[in-house]
Amino acid sequence: GAVVSQHPSWVICKSGTSVKIECRSLDFQATTMFWYRQFPKQSLMLMATSNEGSKATYEQGVEKDKFLINHASLTLSTLTVTSAHPEDSSFYICSATRAGGPHEQYFGPGTRLTVT
Amino acid sequence: GENVEQHPSTLSVQEGDSAVIKCTYSDSASNYFPWYKQELGKRPQLIIDIRSNVGEKKDQRIAVTLNKTAKHFSLHITETQPEDSAVYFCAASMLAVSGTDKLIFGTGTRLQVFP
Repeated sequence: GAVVSQHPSWVICKSGTSVKIECRSLDFQATTMFWYRQFPKQSLMLMATSNEGSKATYEQGVEKDKFLINHASLTLSTLTVTSAHPEDSSFYICSATRAGGPHEQYFGPGTRLTVT
Repeated sequence: GENVEQHPSTLSVQEGDSAVIKCTYSDSASNYFPWYKQELGKRPQLIIDIRSNVGEKKDQRIAVTLNKTAKHFSLHITETQPEDSAVYFCAASMLAVSGTDKLIFGTGTRLQVFP
């Protein structure tokens, strides 16, 4: 159990357009989902924490108007990169914690975004 | 906020040798310390974790030690195999303002095991 999926697995978009990435917990309810960004050969940087039914909490330096996060249900969170630019090209990974379970985060397979 | 430092950034060992990766954290309130293995283009995989009420944990060839006083924790891999080659990340968990635990990752160690 504890499977997290992401869609799409990769996407190429033009500069100025918006892209939506979905993160789903397939076999458990996730009260909290996290969104990370990982540049090549770098670590995972937490962008925001998303709780079902409430506004996301963004990390310092992450523009909330650019990276829109919606967590409408216990199994789905979405990240929309608005007005994407080439510098937004990165590997975006979500994770989820099981409702009632402590600490362990289950990671999605990631979405590679390339902005041309 | 929490800061996690990880050393070394790269580590090359001969097959069969041991590998040790070290991390330090800054926030004494952190109480959960997982280690992840990440292969290129893949998701991080949890390989072992330790909680602050335990000093050491072992799972076959992998062990983790925690020194809360010094705020150090280390990953030990014995009898390394070529398939252990990957990037390893340590992380520390702190209770965020929202009440939700969040992970702060170290900078990663690229481990290469040569046959």
